[in-house]
Amino acid sequence: EPEVTQTPSHQVTQMGQEVILRCVPISNHLYFYWYRQILGQKVEFLVSFYNNEISEKSEIFDDQFSVERPDGSNFTLKIRSTKLEDSAMYFCASRAVWELFFGEGSRLTVL
Amino acid sequence: SQQGEEDPQALSIQEGENATMNCSYKTSINNLQWYRQNSGRGLVHLILIRSNEREKHSGRLRVTLDTSKKSSSLLITASRAADTASYFCATDGDGGFKTIFGAGTRLFVKA
Repeated sequence: EPEVTQTPSHQVTQMGQEVILRCVPISNHLYFYWYRQILGQKVEFLVSFYNNEISEKSEIFDDQFSVERPDGSNFTLKIRSTKLEDSAMYFCASRAVWELFFGEGSRLTVL
Repeated sequence: SQQGEEDPQALSIQEGENATMNCSYKTSINNLQWYRQNSGRGLVHLILIRSNEREKHSGRLRVTLDTSKKSSSLLITASRAADTASYFCATDGDGGFKTIFGAGTRLFVKA
């Protein structure tokens, strides 16, 4: 069964460092998303991406965040200068119609 | 905001009992979805109900939608220990590019 894959599964970084989280969405999906979940809390929408551009972003998705689809398969989230409060699980999701398919997440720990 | 908000926040029941979770939202929707998340894992889609539907079934799941009250409920019948997870409702809002999740209900089913 096709699945969304995310790498790395866990990344530890120092505050102020840049981080890139990678996702390979399901191949025939056209809509891509990043969500964030701080431990035990709600799943927060960050950004959606369609037709090679951002379609929606939340107030969390400020200038330190960026997304890119560098080739036909990868979808990346970059955090330019990480802060302690960026520590969270980051989930990538993709969809063809309405149902979102999620990856298993990348756990980011900022020290 | 348009978020779905679930209640209760946590629910503990015995195996074999039914579990009911409720969700309220604020804006108009095209559809409402329910997802499940096992601890630390990605979310998994359970069921989608369209705004013109009032009730939908899938196996042991029954979802209702009341657009006049902007609310939905998820009923899991004959619960099993394996149903222990967090359950989230999600709404698409206008435009459909911003699927927003509620805070979730943590369900614990005791064997």
